[in-house]
Amino acid sequence: AQTVTQSQPEMSVQEAETVTLSCTYDTSESDYYLFWYKQPPSRQMILVIRQEAYKQQNATENRFSVNFQKAAKSFSLKISDSQLGDAAMYFCAYRSTTSGNTPLVFGKGTRLSVIA
Amino acid sequence: KAGVTQTPRYLIKTRGQQVTLSCSPISGHRSVSWYQQTPGQGLQFLFEYFSETQRNKGNFPGRFSGRQFSNSRSEMNVSTLELGDSALYLCASSPTAGRKQYFGPGTRLTVT
Repeated sequence: AQTVTQSQPEMSVQEAETVTLSCTYDTSESDYYLFWYKQPPSRQMILVIRQEAYKQQNATENRFSVNFQKAAKSFSLKISDSQLGDAAMYFCAYRSTTSGNTPLVFGKGTRLSVIA
Repeated sequence: KAGVTQTPRYLIKTRGQQVTLSCSPISGHRSVSWYQQTPGQGLQFLFEYFSETQRNKGNFPGRFSGRQFSNSRSEMNVSTLELGDSALYLCASSPTAGRKQYFGPGTRLTVT
């Protein structure tokens, strides 16, 4: 079974600075998707960014970018120019594509605080 | 388009009771997934429905069940509630099975 590990339960960053959240995963499959989800205190889970394993190019969405290292099974999220609204729980998630439709497997999350 | 809606948003039940939670997906979405979120276990997959058929099921006891209606709305039911069932229950919809999922705000269930 696939597992997702987020080794940083909590992180903090100064407003306007850059922060990187770590995620590693374990899988024997070659084709899959990786995601970062954001869950603000309001609890609505929002998709931040998605990476397809077969794409070598790292995904980018405005201030959010990933560093995808397939061989190392690492998928970190970089937030540039951090804003107060970035404060939230961030979840890394994995989904297989080779076993038909499979559910998301989530890490335990990293709580990000943004300091003004 | 309206987002995923879940009702009720908050619920308090007593041990041994049963509860039904409802999820209305985004219009046009045919796949609905349910997740349980607790501080200890994190986010865990419950089940997924697509076109009224259960396509996938997580590792939860038979007390947890669900269904999907022809309009894609979904319900999940928990019978004989236990204290450990206290959690945030999240519903997510996608256009088809396996596509990007959009989450609802969740239902906070407290079992006393």
